[in-house]
Amino acid sequence: AQSVTQPDIHITVSEGASLELRCNYSYGATPYLFWYVQSPGQGLQLLLKYFSGDTLVQGIKGFEAEFKRSQSSFNLRKPSVHWSDAAEYFCAVGASLTGTASKLTFGTGTRLQVTL
Amino acid sequence: DVKVTQSSRYLVKRTGEKVFLECVQDMDHENMFWYRQDPGLGLRLIYFSYDVKMKEKGDIPEGYSVSREKKERFSLILESASTNQTSMYLCASLPATLRQPQHFGDGTRLSIL
Repeated sequence: AQSVTQPDIHITVSEGASLELRCNYSYGATPYLFWYVQSPGQGLQLLLKYFSGDTLVQGIKGFEAEFKRSQSSFNLRKPSVHWSDAAEYFCAVGASLTGTASKLTFGTGTRLQVTL
Repeated sequence: DVKVTQSSRYLVKRTGEKVFLECVQDMDHENMFWYRQDPGLGLRLIYFSYDVKMKEKGDIPEGYSVSREKKERFSLILESASTNQTSMYLCASLPATLRQPQHFGDGTRLSIL
């Protein structure tokens, strides 16, 4: 069965500083990988996804993530954090349920706090 | 843009009540999902449906059932609500197309007293 580990429960960074959120996954085949962001009281918004191809993927809001098969990692990065990035971030791995439906297994999330 | 709408943002019910959470999507997606979200546990899959009248158990189906009578609507039912079902519930939809992400609603925060 697949699993996702987000080792950092809570991270605090200063506005303008760089950010890296860690994600490690366990899955037997080539994974589908996702990062979602959740603002307080809101649902999940997709930041970026990886299915295959280029291992560095670009997402919305200036985020990027790099798939490293050898490390089973899919870390999320942003070069300069804005106060509006404060939220909870979830990494997820997708596994096929039916031919075209995939089940998502989520990490426990990393809460990002941004100080001014 | 895909729109997934959950009928209630906040809901308060009593122990033993039958509770219905409704979810509607407007993009004709074949697949729909119900998750619950709890602090420190992330999101866990309760049930999913890949077609009208079809349903499959997820990781934590106990105490829940679902209904999908129309393609756009997926209902989660708590047959007899208990306090340990107090949680945030998130609905998602997914098209039957390879390599697509799930789209989420804003969630229903359910409190069982």
